[in-house]
Amino acid sequence: DAKTTQPPSMDCAEGRAANLPCNHSTISGNEYVYWYRQIHSQGPQYIIHGLKNNETNEMASLIITEDRKSSTLILPHATLRDTAVYYCIVRASRMDSSYKLIFGSGTRLLVRP
Amino acid sequence: DAGVTQSPTHLIKTRGQQVTLRCSPKSGHDTVSWYQQALGQGPQFIFQYYEEEERQRGNFPDRFSGHQFPNYSSELNVNALLLGDSALYLCASSYGTGTLSTDTQYFGPGTRLTVL
Repeated sequence: DAKTTQPPSMDCAEGRAANLPCNHSTISGNEYVYWYRQIHSQGPQYIIHGLKNNETNEMASLIITEDRKSSTLILPHATLRDTAVYYCIVRASRMDSSYKLIFGSGTRLLVRP
Repeated sequence: DAGVTQSPTHLIKTRGQQVTLRCSPKSGHDTVSWYQQALGQGPQFIFQYYEEEERQRGNFPDRFSGHQFPNYSSELNVNALLLGDSALYLCASSYGTGTLSTDTQYFGPGTRLTVL
């Protein structure tokens, strides 16, 4: 079972920031938080991942709370092309011999014109 | 730099037949994972191949088997197809060697399998 809880759907206006929350209250110390998104009928696209610190790349920012029990993915200026299902995944370190990604239901983000 | 590629794009089979799906990993990657995504659901992990061996397997029957070749490409085979095997089959590649404690998986576009 997925170790994360996400709202089933959200929407935001084009040009505004989209803040997607994820709850992972049972996360352990060596587990990473990964975010992927999937645009209709395409393969999932990697966005960003983090362990403890906040992370930023060209696509998004990842804010992880100090207790690591929740995180927020931020798309700073959402466009219509950001409409997709966003998956938050908690993933064990491969040192624990766990290599799979466990997808939940994700959040369906609709960006409105 | 080519990303993960999969073939074919679409496939239609009938119940009881066998199917082979193919995946070429992203340049520099040596590990291939396969996922099944039924309509309206998130992807489900089938198995992962590293150094030409199955390293981890999800909760799928033995009808699902795979292979990894010396050039790191991979095949997914499904025997005795059932209607319920209709799904999008996704391949993901990653770099399985090294000192980092995590490796990011990059997905291909998928193969849409329809079983009639």
